[in-house]
Amino acid sequence: SQKIEQNSEALNIQEGKTATLTCNYTNYSPAYLQWYRQDPGRGPVFLLLIRENEKEKRKERLKVTFDTTLKQSLFHITASQPADSATYLCALDGNSGGYQKVTFGTGTKLQVIP
Amino acid sequence: DTAVSQTPKYLVTQMGNDKSIKCEQNLGHDTMYWYKQDSKKFLKIMFSYNNKELIINETVPNRFSPKSPDKAHLNLHINSLELGDSAVYFCASSPRSGIVGNTIYFGEGSWLTVV
Repeated sequence: SQKIEQNSEALNIQEGKTATLTCNYTNYSPAYLQWYRQDPGRGPVFLLLIRENEKEKRKERLKVTFDTTLKQSLFHITASQPADSATYLCALDGNSGGYQKVTFGTGTKLQVIP
Repeated sequence: DTAVSQTPKYLVTQMGNDKSIKCEQNLGHDTMYWYKQDSKKFLKIMFSYNNKELIINETVPNRFSPKSPDKAHLNLHINSLELGDSAVYFCASSPRSGIVGNTIYFGEGSWLTVV
């Protein structure tokens, strides 16, 4: 069965530095990979998605890479700010019996220290 | 206006009871979901509906019965609640299920505690 692994430990980073979060997966070839942010007590919120034939995608301070050979996505937040502190979820997005199925990883908790 | 709204936000109930969680989306989306997030924060899909029809059922115990009266609503009824059912249940929606790459829009979650 498909498996998605994210850094299980929380990631602490100094304000202004670049945060890099890792998402590895096995037994699956997703058409897309999505990243979401989840704040405590809230639902996940979509940030970015990247297609299988794209190497890199950017949105403001966010950058996502997608290596289908390594089966890995990296999520970068440049010039990190305390307001970036949250849990970040990666999700595999593919076709299941003709319908979209999005499967989430366990998330990485990011803490940006002022 | 809230895009995906679910009620109640908090629910504390005893083992063996039956409870329902309601969900509505005003985004005009065709597809709705129920996800469960356990204490380890693992967000797992339970059900997916496309235009009121069940399309994904992730081997959830049959004590859980989703119902979609129309494509804007997806309710979740749980019979004979067990301690292990304690979790946060998220309702979500997306534009069209037949095409990958759709963004999932989540509600704020319903915190269920079974005592």
